[in-house]
Amino acid sequence: DAGITQSPRHKVTETGTPVTLRCHQTENHRYMYWYRQDPGHGLRLIHYSYGVKDTDKGEVSDGYSVSRSKTEDFLLTLESATSSQTSVYFCAISGGLAGANEQFFGPGTRLTVL
Amino acid sequence: SQQGEEDPQALSIQEGENATMNCSYKTSINNLQWYRQNSGRGLVHLILIRSNEREKHSGRLRVTLDTSKKSSSLLITASRAADTASYFCATVTNSGAGSYQLTFGKGTKLSVIP
Repeated sequence: DAGITQSPRHKVTETGTPVTLRCHQTENHRYMYWYRQDPGHGLRLIHYSYGVKDTDKGEVSDGYSVSRSKTEDFLLTLESATSSQTSVYFCAISGGLAGANEQFFGPGTRLTVL
Repeated sequence: SQQGEEDPQALSIQEGENATMNCSYKTSINNLQWYRQNSGRGLVHLILIRSNEREKHSGRLRVTLDTSKKSSSLLITASRAADTASYFCATVTNSGAGSYQLTFGKGTKLSVIP
């Protein structure tokens, strides 16, 4: 987990409230990713970024937005949290020019939406 | 949608035995990666094998890739209790515009009994 931190590590919130998760890296890697991990589904990509202000959707992007205003920070926002967004969220980073290299993962954020 | 599918879903072996996990995928890949996840932690990259490689070793790990069968296997030799974890294969495919995407399978849960 060295070089990648996520905050908060745990959060409990209520349906309909906005939630922002933060990923911070000290590796100066170009690519950053947000995944969610649910039993029976493995890891699924929500959004990713290939540079400052450059983001794209992943497999399960509905209900989520992201922003990257600095190389080191990648924010994931749930505008209006729903119970189906209860999950463990992982941030990952990757170096290189095209995102085909190994990814390094943060420790995860456990989000519970009541 | 899942690109890689691991088999078996769960595996229980005695310490000292070898563990073999398989991964099948559907479309052409740039490379295939294996990750380990200990309970409650983020994923850790183990090994990357490129589409033009057939076998790769790293310590007690041996990975094979058969692109004609669209399958890969991960062999852990002389297993230890510390190898107890979930293991995921991830396929890297070209997502267009010169960038790549990593897609994870659902994982194999390995238990090594002391």
